[in-house]
Amino acid sequence: GQNIDQPTEMTATEGAIVQINCTYQTSGFNGLFWYQQHAGEAPTFLSYNVLDGLEEKGRFSSFLSRSKGYSYLLLKELQMKDSASYLCAVRGYQKVTFGTGTKLQVIP
Amino acid sequence: EAGVTQFPSHSVIEKGQTVTLRCDPISGHDNLYWYRRVMGKEIKFLLHFVKESKQDESGMPNNRFLAERTGGTYSTLKVQPAELEDSGVYFCASSQASGPPYGGNTIYFGEGSWLTVV
Repeated sequence: GQNIDQPTEMTATEGAIVQINCTYQTSGFNGLFWYQQHAGEAPTFLSYNVLDGLEEKGRFSSFLSRSKGYSYLLLKELQMKDSASYLCAVRGYQKVTFGTGTKLQVIP
Repeated sequence: EAGVTQFPSHSVIEKGQTVTLRCDPISGHDNLYWYRRVMGKEIKFLLHFVKESKQDESGMPNNRFLAERTGGTYSTLKVQPAELEDSGVYFCASSQASGPPYGGNTIYFGEGSWLTVV
């Protein structure tokens, strides 16, 4: 089976940097996704890590350590529109399992 | 390129009625997934099609739920009879069967079908 843990809520200030952590235990691993979901909307793809290390995409970066079962999503220069839920999801052999999501609130 | 489309976007039905949700994946995507998110809970996997075959249906809650993907194109998810606890958002997602990590394995989600059973 798969178990994914991430914080339930976080608050950060506009312009700051925030790191959202995700730990997982899985019986098979074929990559880790981060999705952003605004209230009432579909999850949208942010990043996909299958090898260890940091992947950078503009203001968003994602890190993976397979040996530690750990990932984080780093958001820089936070904007108000970044207020959303951030979902960590792990792909096993075929199936993708989601964590509960971290609700990020960006305050002025 | 059109994304994953789902219909209906919202549905309100009475307990005991039947509802059929439809998903059109991105053209060329062999993998089609159904997920569900009930209020306050995480997104949960329901099942996975590879073309027209059910690869994994371990997440289907009970036999009131029936998913089909005839011809390996669009998929339907029928709930019959609907119960109050079936209320939630039903997401469909699709991905290519193979390819490099970003190109082949990224899963794209539809907007969801919001189901309310009263």
